Amino acid sequence: GQNIDQPTEMTATEGAIVQINCTYQTSGFNGLFWYQQHAGEAPTFLSYNVLDGLEEKGRFSSFLSRSKGYSYLLLKELQMKDSASYLCAVMDSNYQLIWGAGTKLIIKP
Amino acid sequence: NAGVTQTPKFRVLKTGQSMTLLCAQDMNHEYMYWYRQDPGMGLRLIHYSVGEGTTAKGEVPDGYNVSRLKKQNFLLGLESAAPSQTSVYFCASRSEDRGHTGELFFGEGSRLTVL
Repeated sequence: GQNIDQPTEMTATEGAIVQINCTYQTSGFNGLFWYQQHAGEAPTFLSYNVLDGLEEKGRFSSFLSRSKGYSYLLLKELQMKDSASYLCAVMDSNYQLIWGAGTKLIIKP
Repeated sequence: NAGVTQTPKFRVLKTGQSMTLLCAQDMNHEYMYWYRQDPGMGLRLIHYSVGEGTTAKGEVPDGYNVSRLKKQNFLLGLESAAPSQTSVYFCASRSEDRGHTGELFFGEGSRLTVL
């Protein structure tokens, strides 16, 4: 079956760096997405990787290794507003998104 | 530019009652989706549509029906609500252009409680 694994919860300190990992096993691969979801709100798009390597966008970067079925989201210079859940999703061969359960990131002062 | 709009935002139902959730998007997107989100689980696809007049089942379609009579609207119906359908429901849409990132745009969510 198809599966996306990511840690349930992580804690980090304001100003620090945190890496959220995601591993996947899917039927085909047409890209990996990261979304941010604040409590009680809708998910919002953060990044998209379809080729191996690192994509940088401001304080956020996303890495992909297709051979290892692995991605990570790197958040630098953490701010309190980064407290949210981070959802990893893979687009399979049918162009359907398979979602992980999300990682709740808690930022402490 | 409203994006994706869901109504209602909140609803409490009794077991056996019916209701319809409405999703409207103004981005001219072909693809529309209904997901449910439950604690500790990823977003699960209920039904989706690849264009006006077409719908398809997702991962968890039982107990739900959908219609896409107009391109901009996607309706989710519960014919006989059950407590297991207590959840947060999200509608989403995306462009059909597969050269695009395929980014989904979400509505704000509809919080449904079935007693």
